[in-house]
Amino acid sequence: DADVTQTPRNRITKTGKRIMLECSQTKGHDRMYWYRQDPGLGLRLIYYSFDVKDINKGEISDGYSVSRQAQAKFSLSLESAIPNQTALYFCATGTGSRETQYFGPGTRLLVL
Amino acid sequence: AQSVSQHNHHVILSEAASLELGCNYSYGGTVNLFWYVQYPGQHLQLLLKYFSGDPLVKGIKGFEAEFIKSKFSFNLRKPSVQWSDTAEYFCAVRNSGSARQLTFGSGTQLTVLP
Repeated sequence: DADVTQTPRNRITKTGKRIMLECSQTKGHDRMYWYRQDPGLGLRLIYYSFDVKDINKGEISDGYSVSRQAQAKFSLSLESAIPNQTALYFCATGTGSRETQYFGPGTRLLVL
Repeated sequence: AQSVSQHNHHVILSEAASLELGCNYSYGGTVNLFWYVQYPGQHLQLLLKYFSGDPLVKGIKGFEAEFIKSKFSFNLRKPSVQWSDTAEYFCAVRNSGSARQLTFGSGTQLTVLP
């Protein structure tokens, strides 16, 4: 969905490096999510935010942190990257009681 | 904890064959149900969704799904697949007690042979 953008689209980094993945949306949604996708495991929730002042851990938050800089921006950080964080990362947005989540194009991360 | 099962990990069909992908979930209360599709190299796109009402839901590109509450299932169907349907398909469930989180199944890779 072009209304949800992620940067960078691809990233190679080394073990121990700090990296940040960014997500922006123009849909005006209040809720934003970070997922990681691994082959055979589907998507798993890392963190979610229901508004700027609300941040919540998801199923697999260890090793990650997030920042909701504005309603439209939600960043995911890996403080010290490790190889098993190699994955495809998706940002999603949603709103309302009958929420449908809309996904960004993904960031492919390789940690060497 | 809630779980979502997609038992078919890889399905291979010829064009014009009928498709049914299984999805079962574990939560016994009110649920919202979704099917997403991920074409090669692309992001997830919504195929269809169920919140309430008619349990037979029609989505885009000729897909439909049926919610059977007694079986905790939300299977995806298409009467005649095309080569362009080759993709990975994900079932997702949100229950009323989960702080609105979506739980995804592990996905089914569909390959349609021309």
